[in-house]
Amino acid sequence: DTAVSQTPKYLVTQMGNDKSIKCEQNLGHDTMYWYKQDSKKFLKIMFSYNNKELIINETVPNRFSPKSPDKAHLNLHINSLELGDSAVYFCASSRDRPNTEAFFGQGTRLTVV
Amino acid sequence: GDSVTQMEGPVTLSEEAFLTINCTYTATGYPSLFWYVQYPGEGLQLLLKATKADDKGSNKGFEATYRKETTSFHLEKGSVQVSDSAVYFCALRPRMDSSYKLIFGSGTRLLVRP
Repeated sequence: DTAVSQTPKYLVTQMGNDKSIKCEQNLGHDTMYWYKQDSKKFLKIMFSYNNKELIINETVPNRFSPKSPDKAHLNLHINSLELGDSAVYFCASSRDRPNTEAFFGQGTRLTVV
Repeated sequence: GDSVTQMEGPVTLSEEAFLTINCTYTATGYPSLFWYVQYPGEGLQLLLKATKADDKGSNKGFEATYRKETTSFHLEKGSVQVSDSAVYFCALRPRMDSSYKLIFGSGTRLLVRP
């Protein structure tokens, strides 16, 4: 059983398009996240949701809109894609305890052409 | 704000060599500390963690000790294998942060040659 699964794994699209990435976790965690990994492997938090409520929005352009229909799902919709959006996007989840780890999905490699 | 600093890579070693990857942190209070590993084309996997001062995390021959005095959490392995080639991330989770987010270092690529 995959703990955190995200789809698709690869996404190639043209500038200006709108696309979505889906994420689901079956760990019963209350908190879910989206991270962006750039070409230099640097990981930066984008959003954090706790019990379906937005906790963090780290100065992400409003073209990025997360949606959490329930505690097990956190989707990421991106409008008007730009070349600079090309990156690997990771979904993660964790318990809402500071001494516990986060579990990551396999990542979605987004390429905007 | 809270941050993690890792040694820059790549680190290139021969098989069976000793590995150290340095990690230091800046944080308010006493965060939990983690090492994650990312193999090529894959997501991040937890390698080990330590949640309080002087704790030692260990897994698969890797170890790291939470040093409050030096605000460090250096990763070590006595004898690396080719299969250890990956990118290693040090991370912290602030104790008094309702977002529970992980803050990552910049990652250190390890290449182990046969």
